Amino acid sequence: AQKVTQAQTEISVVEKEDVTLDCVYETRDTTYYLFWYKQPPSGELVFLIRRNSFDEQNEISGRYSWNFQKSTSSFNFTITASQVVDSAVYFCALMSLTQGAQKLVFGQGTRLTINP
Amino acid sequence: NAGVMQNPRHLVRRRGQEARLRCSPMKGHSHVYWYRQLPEEGLKFMVYLQKENIIDESGMPKERFSAEFPKEGPSILRIQQVVRGDSAAYFCASSIGDVSGELFFGEGSRLTVL
Repeated sequence: AQKVTQAQTEISVVEKEDVTLDCVYETRDTTYYLFWYKQPPSGELVFLIRRNSFDEQNEISGRYSWNFQKSTSSFNFTITASQVVDSAVYFCALMSLTQGAQKLVFGQGTRLTINP
Repeated sequence: NAGVMQNPRHLVRRRGQEARLRCSPMKGHSHVYWYRQLPEEGLKFMVYLQKENIIDESGMPKERFSAEFPKEGPSILRIQQVVRGDSAAYFCASSIGDVSGELFFGEGSRLTVL
């Protein structure tokens, strides 16, 4: 069975601090995709990143970086020098290609609050 | 190129009424997915449709819920005889079909059942 666990329900930090959101996944498939989405208070889903299971290179995009560790089935997300606008709920998700359809299994989300 | 369009963005229904949520996929996309997000939870897959076909409805409640994606027009998620527990955000996503292609989400439709 596919499962995504985001153990941190809520995180609160002060602006400019670095913060890491954890994501651990379970799958028996060898080919899969991992995602991070941001859901701001307005409610829409904002796509942040998609990573193929065969690509373990870490990625950096501005203040955002992702650490994919296949050995520990983790795909953690770090925001450097956080800003108030980063406040949102962040979801990690897993998609298995062997299921055919692009069905995403989402974690429960981590509510991140950045305080000024 | 317009994104995935969902309407209405907000819908209020009384218990026992019907709710219809519409989703127009991105231009050129023939695959549509519906997800439900209950309050304070992550999104859960409901159904996957291609034009005129339901491919996977493993996440749909057995009763009162139905979905369609006709040859012409938007995909419709229909909830009959709504109950308070149906209050949620319903997200539609579309893709071009190839599993390596990107999945695009709409802004969601928020259903409130009084």
